[in-house]
Amino acid sequence: QVQLVQSGAEVKKPGASVKVSCKASGYTFTGQYMYWVRQAPGQGLEWMGWINPNNGGTNYAQKFQGRVTMTRDTSISTAYMELSRLRSDDTAVYYCARGVGVEGGGFDYWGQGTLVTVSS
Amino acid sequence: SYELTQPPSVSVSPGQTASITCSGDNLGDKYACWYQQKPGQSPVLLIYQDSKRPSGIPERFSASNSGNTATLTISGTQAMDEADYYCQAWDSSTRVFGGGTKLTVL
Repeated sequence: QVQLVQSGAEVKKPGASVKVSCKASGYTFTGQYMYWVRQAPGQGLEWMGWINPNNGGTNYAQKFQGRVTMTRDTSISTAYMELSRLRSDDTAVYYCARGVGVEGGGFDYWGQGTLVTVSS
Repeated sequence: SYELTQPPSVSVSPGQTASITCSGDNLGDKYACWYQQKPGQSPVLLIYQDSKRPSGIPERFSASNSGNTATLTISGTQAMDEADYYCQAWDSSTRVFGGGTKLTVL
């Protein structure tokens, strides 16, 4: 069965960076895009970007360009999202989600979420 | 950047039909998806490509997308359907979410 297992909660100081991992299993990791979505406390979902695990190609939401880097390690079927120059308003649950392999297909499997707290 | 607008809240009585709208410029020209999220849980894909249901999603969930509005319809609403619902649009290379709608089953 498809599973996305994310790394554990993080507490960071303002200005620092955080790197969240997402280990995929139960399907061909390079076959479908991986997306990253975040959700601030009590707020809605916010799309951050995607990575094509097959070739490493990425596309980031304009809001995060220059601060986010998405990478992958195909040898261990793991995707990563690194966010730099953290601010307090980056406090959120960060999710990875697998894209359905068709245009407009949505995100059919989600990780359990990783809480990142930014506090001095 | 592209924006999607949802009503913050919708209320429905058990057994009745709930409709949640999602508005955006020429949304009907893009693909829309819908997600359900319950407190403390990850979102669940309900609808993709405007109106298709993934396997395991009950038939009472349906959707349409035309003009500037996509609509999620829940027929015979059950107490277990009380949750937050998010629309999402496929806009070029971006995947925009609406602000979310809290569905209350009274």
